[in-house]
Amino acid sequence: GAGVSQSPRYKVAKRGQDVALRCDPISGHVSLFWYQQALGQGPEFLTYFQNEAQLDKSGLPSDRFFAERPEGSVSTLKIQRTQQEDSAVYLCASSPRTGALTYNEQFFGPGTRLTVL
Amino acid sequence: SQKIEQNSEALNIQEGKTATLTCNYTNYSPAYLQWYRQDPGRGPVFLLLIRENEKEKRKERLKVTFDTTLKQSLFHITASQPADSATYLCALDPSSSGGYNKLIFGAGTRLAVHP
Repeated sequence: GAGVSQSPRYKVAKRGQDVALRCDPISGHVSLFWYQQALGQGPEFLTYFQNEAQLDKSGLPSDRFFAERPEGSVSTLKIQRTQQEDSAVYLCASSPRTGALTYNEQFFGPGTRLTVL
Repeated sequence: SQKIEQNSEALNIQEGKTATLTCNYTNYSPAYLQWYRQDPGRGPVFLLLIRENEKEKRKERLKVTFDTTLKQSLFHITASQPADSATYLCALDPSSSGGYNKLIFGAGTRLAVHP
């Protein structure tokens, strides 16, 4: 595909359920980011992958959040035992290269809107 | 504390006028700043990047300025059109990300251009 895709687009979960959100980045993109966006706010960084290596997970809110990118392409964000405060849009973004002074733009997917009841 | 501030109230302007959006930041020394557009139900779309040694950047009807002394960026849309109506986000790399361009976003300013 031409852009970043995410699935599902919408997810409704009961409190306590586990969810898995998928991101298909642009082919060949080295960097992959996950962000969380609350209503009326800007995206907030969750975690970063360079190929298959998770180099930064400083934004993950709790140990209930887990992300992986085992083959350096598709990534999954998993949230265990969902809580109402996890309700948000989860955005995935990819960019082609990494390194200082490259200043890459990020290409965002449409997001997954998670609602926890 | 470190933060990025954008006009929290929606900006309403008449078609054909210039829209000016403001992004202020504190306690960062970013090497660059980016602007994104976000439409409802969609992910942000990159518009412009301006580096710390650039005062101004233009792309078609868009113009961005970057004042590292004031810690401010201004985003201008000239000859605005109703299709420009969207939320505009500024973002910067806090320069502590080890070179992988981790972005910190402002909350965005919603622009409405009326015919």
